[in-house]
Amino acid sequence: AQSVSQHNHHVILSEAASLELGCNYSYGGTVNLFWYVQYPGQHLQLLLKYFSGDPLVKGIKGFEAEFIKSKFSFNLRKPSVQWSDTAEYFCVHFGNEKLTFGTGTRLTIIP
Amino acid sequence: DVKVTQSSRYLVKRTGEKVFLECVQDMDHENMFWYRQDPGLGLRLIYFSYDVKMKEKGDIPEGYSVSREKKERFSLILESASTNQTSMYLCASTAPSMNTEAFFGQGTRLTVV
Repeated sequence: AQSVSQHNHHVILSEAASLELGCNYSYGGTVNLFWYVQYPGQHLQLLLKYFSGDPLVKGIKGFEAEFIKSKFSFNLRKPSVQWSDTAEYFCVHFGNEKLTFGTGTRLTIIP
Repeated sequence: DVKVTQSSRYLVKRTGEKVFLECVQDMDHENMFWYRQDPGLGLRLIYFSYDVKMKEKGDIPEGYSVSREKKERFSLILESASTNQTSMYLCASTAPSMNTEAFFGQGTRLTVV
């Protein structure tokens, strides 16, 4: 069965710090990976996605993620976070008609 | 711009009641999903459907059923609500193509008392 692991449950950073959130997946078939963000009180929004091609994908709001096939990883990064990045972040895999979520990482940015 | 609509934002129901949560999408998507979201547990898949009248169990189907009579509508049914079903419920839809993203409703916060 496919699964997605996010190892950081709660991350606290100061503004302007660099961010990296880990994501590992287990699935042997075609890889379709996403990062979604949920701001407080809002619905899930797509940050970025990877289907094929360049393993470094850029998303909205300055986020990027790198797909490393050998490590089964798809880590999310941002070089300098802002207070407005405070949210919950979910790594998601789509395969066999099924969307599988990681448990999420709560990011708190301290001004 | 609205794509996935859940009928209620907040619901309060009594233990033992039958509860219907409705989800409608306007993108002609084949795949629809129901999740519950709980702190520390992320989103857990309850049921999904890849076509009209088709349904598949997700990871936590116990205590739930679903109905997909029309392509645009996917209903989640709590046959006899219990307090441990108090949660945020999220509906999503996608096209069947692998090169796609999922669209989510705003969620229904259900409280069972």
